Amino acid sequence: KQEVTQIPAALSVPEGENLVLNCSFTDSAIYNLQWFRQDPGKGLTSLLLIQSSQREQTSGRLNASLDKSSGRSTLYIAASQPGDSATYLCAVTHSGGSNYKLTFGKGTLLTVNP
Amino acid sequence: GAVVSQHPSWVICKSGTSVKIECRSLDFQATTMFWYRQFPKQSLMLMATSNEGSKATYEQGVEKDKFLINHASLTLSTLTVTSAHPEDSSFYICSARGTSGITDTQYFGPGTRLTVL
Repeated sequence: KQEVTQIPAALSVPEGENLVLNCSFTDSAIYNLQWFRQDPGKGLTSLLLIQSSQREQTSGRLNASLDKSSGRSTLYIAASQPGDSATYLCAVTHSGGSNYKLTFGKGTLLTVNP
Repeated sequence: GAVVSQHPSWVICKSGTSVKIECRSLDFQATTMFWYRQFPKQSLMLMATSNEGSKATYEQGVEKDKFLINHASLTLSTLTVTSAHPEDSSFYICSARGTSGITDTQYFGPGTRLTVL
């Protein structure tokens, strides 16, 4: 059974700092990996999707890497801003089957202090 | 593009009543929709997968007679929580997977907060 772990569970940083969020998964047979942002009481916003054949994806100040063989992914946020404060979720899509089920980690609660 | 809506956004009901939550794909057709539940400070847990026109597939530990799922069209799936109890209070989120284009991407709805008194 696939398990996704995110470290740290919570992180508080001053504005402007660069930071890294970590995600690990137990079964490397994945189709892709996604990073999401969730604001309190809200749904999910997809940030980056990395296909299993890719090593990284970039969008603005965000960069996500994937090392499938070791079961790890990182989300790098450059020059953090208070508006980045949210919970960041990592999810992997199972390979095989036709329904593309996602398994989520518990998330990292990020607080960026002005 | 690829917008998913949920209705209602929040609902409060008395114990023992049934509550229906709708999930709609607004600008694309979704052959598959997923229902998730999220308890406070926990991750999203998949409850069931529904394919249009067929019975939903429930994850282990999810009671299919309590959480009724109907996916009658390519743009609408409903989740009915029957005889709701306080322990069913949670944040319910749906997602939809398209029939064309990037079909391996799930698009998420904004969620429905259910509170059972």
